[in-house]
Amino acid sequence: QKEVEQNSGPLSVPEGAIASLNCTYSDRGSQSFFWYRQYSGKSPELIMFIYSNGDKEDGRFTAQLNKASQYVSLLIRDSQPSDSATYLCAVNSGGSNYKLTFGKGTLLTVNP
Amino acid sequence: DAGVIQSPRHEVTEMGQEVTLRCKPISGHNSLFWYRQTMMRGLELLIYFNNNVPIDDSGMPEDRFSAKMPNASFSTLKIQPSEPRDSAVYFCASSLSGRSETQYFGPGTRLLVL
Repeated sequence: QKEVEQNSGPLSVPEGAIASLNCTYSDRGSQSFFWYRQYSGKSPELIMFIYSNGDKEDGRFTAQLNKASQYVSLLIRDSQPSDSATYLCAVNSGGSNYKLTFGKGTLLTVNP
Repeated sequence: DAGVIQSPRHEVTEMGQEVTLRCKPISGHNSLFWYRQTMMRGLELLIYFNNNVPIDDSGMPEDRFSAKMPNASFSTLKIQPSEPRDSAVYFCASSLSGRSETQYFGPGTRLLVL
């Protein structure tokens, strides 16, 4: 069973701080890694994807990948109350480029 | 530009009834996915269509579930008979060429089976 594990939270950070969200995965063959944001009652929205070890930055978001440790993280700099949501980590599993295995998500709350 | 459209947005039904969920993918997308999201199991892929053909239905939980895609702009997910444990949010997503990077989710259908 391919698994993606996340701390369910809630993770609470003050406005302007860095929020750090973590994810581990079990399938060593996974090649692509994704972070989705899901507001309460809404659908998941892709915010970043990463393929290679290291960091990938997009605005206030940085995804970090360490395949040796089977670990993916998402950093949100200068957190805003509008970042309050559940963040889902997802991994392409089974060698496919379409099949996503999702973690159950981490609830982030950014306090003004 | 319209996104993925799902109907109904909410459905309440009684155990044993047939439920049909509908999805219209983004125009030009040739891949369609049905997902189910519950608190217990999270977000799970049920079935994947490419060019209207089911490619992977390994996530369909049992024979009570069926999905069709008669044309490029319409898909249905049917549950017959429905059970309380089918209560969940069902999302449809579409993408270009099936790649996860281009996958966009619809607003979902919240299903409650009493």
